[in-house]
Amino acid sequence: DAKTTQPNSMESNEEEPVHLPCNHSTISGTDYIHWYRQLPSQGPEYVIHGLTSNVNNRMASLAIAEDRKSSTLILHRATLRDAAVYYCIPINAGNMLTFGGGTRLMVKP
Amino acid sequence: KAGVTQTPRYLIKTRGQQVTLSCSPISGHRSVSWYQQTPGQGLQFLFEYFSETQRNKGNFPGRFSGRQFSNSRSEMNVSTLELGDSALYLCASSSGTNNSPLHFGNGTRLTVT
Repeated sequence: DAKTTQPNSMESNEEEPVHLPCNHSTISGTDYIHWYRQLPSQGPEYVIHGLTSNVNNRMASLAIAEDRKSSTLILHRATLRDAAVYYCIPINAGNMLTFGGGTRLMVKP
Repeated sequence: KAGVTQTPRYLIKTRGQQVTLSCSPISGHRSVSWYQQTPGQGLQFLFEYFSETQRNKGNFPGRFSGRQFSNSRSEMNVSTLELGDSALYLCASSSGTNNSPLHFGNGTRLTVT
C-alpha cells in the first residue's frame, strides 16, 4: 500500500488560501488520490479526488504533480469551519484506505 | 439521499463480552468498509465488503469479523473484547470503485471496561 507524508499541522488566517501538501511517492499507477477531512466527533468527510489531472469542486482544488508522487489540496478561502484534520489517501481497487496521521489545519480569525 | 447510518452511537461493554455494530450504507452503494480509530494508532482499515463478499481485510485478529446482507447493510462483530478495543468504529459506503468517494458515518464509540 502506498504511504503518505503530510505535515502534522498547519495554520492559516481566515479568508486566506491554504495549500496542504502530501507526498505519496510509492503510489501505484491505478491509485486515485483522495482527500478527506475530519472534524471533531465526526466521521471523515470526502473533499476531492483525482488521478492525474488537476481537479476542482465547490469545496477545494486538487493539484497533482506530473509524476503523481505528490499532490496539494487548495482551499481558496479558509473559513473557521475548515479547521479539521485533512488526510490524503491513495485508494486502490479494494478501497483499503491506509490513513496516515493527516494534517491538522488551524484557522485563525 | 440519507447518509451512512451507524448504530448504536455509543456502547459500553466489559472485557470478555462480544459486540455487534451496524452500518446502513447510502442507498445504491454496494461497498461497505470498516475502520478503527484510536488516538494512538489513528485510522486503521478493518475490512471491506462488496456484494455480500469480503473483498479485503486489514491486519486485525480473527476476533474482528463482519458480514454484509443482500440489502448492503453491514455488521461487524468483535468477540472476547479487550480493553484495547476501545475505539471509534467507522464505516464507509461507496459504489465500490477506487474512483468513487467514500461516505463515512459518524461512528460507534465503543468503550470496554
